[in-house]
Amino acid sequence: DVKVTQSSRYLVKRTGEKVFLECVQDMDHENMFWYRQDPGLGLRLIYFSYDVKMKEKGDIPEGYSVSREKKERFSLILESASTNQTSMYLCASRTGLAGMYEQYFGPGTRLTVT
Amino acid sequence: GENVEQHPSTLSVQEGDSAVIKCTYSDSASNYFPWYKQELGKRPQLIIDIRSNVGEKKDQRIAVTLNKTAKHFSLHITETQPEDSAVYFCAATTPNHRAGTALIFGKGTTLSVSS
Repeated sequence: DVKVTQSSRYLVKRTGEKVFLECVQDMDHENMFWYRQDPGLGLRLIYFSYDVKMKEKGDIPEGYSVSREKKERFSLILESASTNQTSMYLCASRTGLAGMYEQYFGPGTRLTVT
Repeated sequence: GENVEQHPSTLSVQEGDSAVIKCTYSDSASNYFPWYKQELGKRPQLIIDIRSNVGEKKDQRIAVTLNKTAKHFSLHITETQPEDSAVYFCAATTPNHRAGTALIFGKGTTLSVSS
């Protein structure tokens, strides 16, 4: 079974703090994704990585950055956390094989910025 | 880029009834359309998917239909049960999306099945 894990289930940070959210997958997947989930807005893509050190902006990258130094690990960074970044953050991964599009999600990190 | 619209946002049915959730997409190059189910407090999980070269796919009580011309696809759940209560997300992916082949999701439908 594919296993995608996230470093924290719940996180509380103060405005202005630098926040790191970590995601690890154990299936040697090439592609990894960060989404945020808000009620009524669904899952919105923040950033995406298709290889080590490679990244692509999603639909809402403002206020976020990412790092992928190793294939199994994809980090989401909030340089200066703000209250409007309070949300559920979901990581996902997918193989790079052509035509294989199923994404596997982690359990999520609920981040509260006060 | 791709845009996915999903309706309705909430759906309440009686146990045993059918439920239908509809999605439209904007990019005619989209070629893969999955449906994810997210139970309360859990991660989204794939329940069924369809590719652009297929018009319908069934798996027991769930089915998905795709109309490429109209650019819409639908999830059908028959003989609903209380355990079908969850949030359902449709999604679409296109090889030409600027983010590669990431999934773009609809806003979700909260399905409530009452017994």
